[in-house]
Amino acid sequence: ETGVTQTPRHLVMGMTNKKSLKCEQHLGHNAMYWYKQSAKKPLELMFVYNFKEQTENNSVPSRFSPECPNSSHLFLHLHTLQPEDSALYLCASSQDPGTGLMGTEAFFGQGTRLTVV
Amino acid sequence: KNQVEQSPQSLIILEGKNCTLQCNYTVSPFSNLRWYKQDTGRGPVSLTIMTFSENTKSNGRYTATLDADTKQSSLHITASQLSDSASYICVVSEENSGGGADGLTFGKGTHLIIQP
Repeated sequence: ETGVTQTPRHLVMGMTNKKSLKCEQHLGHNAMYWYKQSAKKPLELMFVYNFKEQTENNSVPSRFSPECPNSSHLFLHLHTLQPEDSALYLCASSQDPGTGLMGTEAFFGQGTRLTVV
Repeated sequence: KNQVEQSPQSLIILEGKNCTLQCNYTVSPFSNLRWYKQDTGRGPVSLTIMTFSENTKSNGRYTATLDADTKQSSLHITASQLSDSASYICVVSEENSGGGADGLTFGKGTHLIIQP
């Protein structure tokens, strides 16, 4: 248990469905992230939220829509996905000092295994 | 462009044997390097963190080394157990990135299988 909880653990959705992934962190961190992990590829950073403000969007298609209502919760809203979007979606949190000094490590949730059919 | 290369891509060894995983990086300026263990279908969990001044660090049966001059790191697993079967991911942090997870470069990982 890393203190970062993701739900659901598994999700199968059709290309016309709308679903949401949820992430909650109990570590008091100020930054939260969404990563995509596809088979045999490195983790890809999708979105960064720092103090609830989105600070980075790595050219992610608009069919992925993040929401961060507070510093403990992060959502990823999904709509009209494609089969190639099937992957493990990981949420992470960290305490970002923003000082340029070595930061604390990122703690990852267990991920949501998404299958788009 | 910052890159992290890991080898081998996959490895199968018998229970009780030792193994060494490699990580080469081009991230600059370098801040720190972490090894994560990721069990199938789960999120990565940190094993160890290496800073510029550290050459060797142990965590139980796991020993990580860092050569900042050659930009290489290794993870040595001693007396492997079935529970060591997992992907091992090398992650390098860039200095002045604020330390957040957006300043990280991930390797593709080494998939390790321990056979009884």
